[in-house]
Amino acid sequence: GENVEQHPSTLSVQEGDSAVIKCTYSDSASNYFPWYKQELGKGPQLIIDIRSNVGEKKDQRIAVTLNKTAKHFSLHITETQPEDSAVYFCAATPGSARQLTFGSGTQLTVLP
Amino acid sequence: GAGVSQSPSNKVTEKGKDVELRCDPISGHTALYWYRQSLGQGLEFLIYFQGNSAPDKSGLPSDRFSAERTGGSVSTLTIQRTQQEDSAVYLCASSSGSFQETQYFGPGTRLLVL
Repeated sequence: GENVEQHPSTLSVQEGDSAVIKCTYSDSASNYFPWYKQELGKGPQLIIDIRSNVGEKKDQRIAVTLNKTAKHFSLHITETQPEDSAVYFCAATPGSARQLTFGSGTQLTVLP
Repeated sequence: GAGVSQSPSNKVTEKGKDVELRCDPISGHTALYWYRQSLGQGLEFLIYFQGNSAPDKSGLPSDRFSAERTGGSVSTLTIQRTQQEDSAVYLCASSSGSFQETQYFGPGTRLLVL
């Protein structure tokens, strides 16, 4: 089955700086890669996703890149703000499955 | 519109008791998923429903865990003879049922087994 590894587990940045979170996956058949943000006491919320037919996707301050050859994908947050502080999860799903396989999460702290 | 709702939000039970967790998906969503999130961990898949059928139960950790869905809507996750290691947040998600569509999560049920 699919295995997703996520790094780093914790990340602290100054407000206004950029943050990068990286994930690798094991199943070359995986073709859908969402990113979720989870605030304390809440369920995960989708912030951006990418499918295997594109290499990059951007939505305002958030971007995701995908390298299928290397089997890794990354989340980039620019001009970070204190409200970006949360736990971020990457996930992957192979074409044959419906469920998501999640990484272990990154606790992002944006320092004012 | 309303999102995914789950009840109860918190549940404390004694070891050996049975518990039922409820999920109300977004109206019209045919796919429903249960995940488990242990303290400080990622999300672990439990079971997936398409309509009232469960084509994938591969994530259920033991035969003490079961789930059903009725009317293509509400789902109930039942844990029998709870153990301390069952303590976790149980998250439900729903999607439109189309391939690779966004899964929308509920707020979760925090289960503590004493």
